[in-house]
Amino acid sequence: AQTVTQSQPEMSVQEAETVTLSCTYDTSENNYYLFWYKQPPSRQMILVIRQEAYKQQNATENRFSVNFQKAAKSFSLKISDSQLGDTAMYFCALLSIQGAQKLVFGQGTRLTINP
Amino acid sequence: EADIYQTPRYLVIGTGKKITLECSQTMGHDKMYWYQQDPGMELHLIHYSYGVNSTEKGDLSSESTVSRIRTEHFPLTLESARPSHTSQYLCASSELLSSGFYGYTFGSGTRLTVV
Repeated sequence: AQTVTQSQPEMSVQEAETVTLSCTYDTSENNYYLFWYKQPPSRQMILVIRQEAYKQQNATENRFSVNFQKAAKSFSLKISDSQLGDTAMYFCALLSIQGAQKLVFGQGTRLTINP
Repeated sequence: EADIYQTPRYLVIGTGKKITLECSQTMGHDKMYWYQQDPGMELHLIHYSYGVNSTEKGDLSSESTVSRIRTEHFPLTLESARPSHTSQYLCASSELLSSGFYGYTFGSGTRLTVV
């Protein structure tokens, strides 16, 4: 079975600070995808960043970057120069390429950016 | 803007009523999914479909049922709603992109309250 664990239920930082959200996962497969999704109060799931397991280079998207450690099964998200609009629930997710391509989500981290 | 539509957006219904949550996508994706998001915000897969006439139960047991008669339509039905069914229900679809990534698209969700 595949599992995703986010050990930080809540985090809070000041605007413009850098924040890192932690995620660990477990899978027996060799090829898979990892994602970070953002869910603001509107409840729409928004893709923040994605990483393919066989690529060693860490993905970056503007202010968002990941630290992907495949051997440690760790996939943290760094948000630089945080903005008020970054306030949301953040979910780490694992997608197996085999079978139905089901997304398995972590428990979520509620991030609050304070002015 | 999402190409996957869920209706209704909010629903308050009495115990014992039969309800159908609608989900439609215009992208021609074969794979579709229903996730249940409990008040604690965790997301669990309850149903998925590989394509027309294919339905499978997900990782979390659910009393709901689904059907997939048309590619674009994946409704979820509760025959007799109970307060324990109070939750947000998210519909999603996926495809393999030319970039090699699997793209997941989420609907805006239906927030169901059973009183």
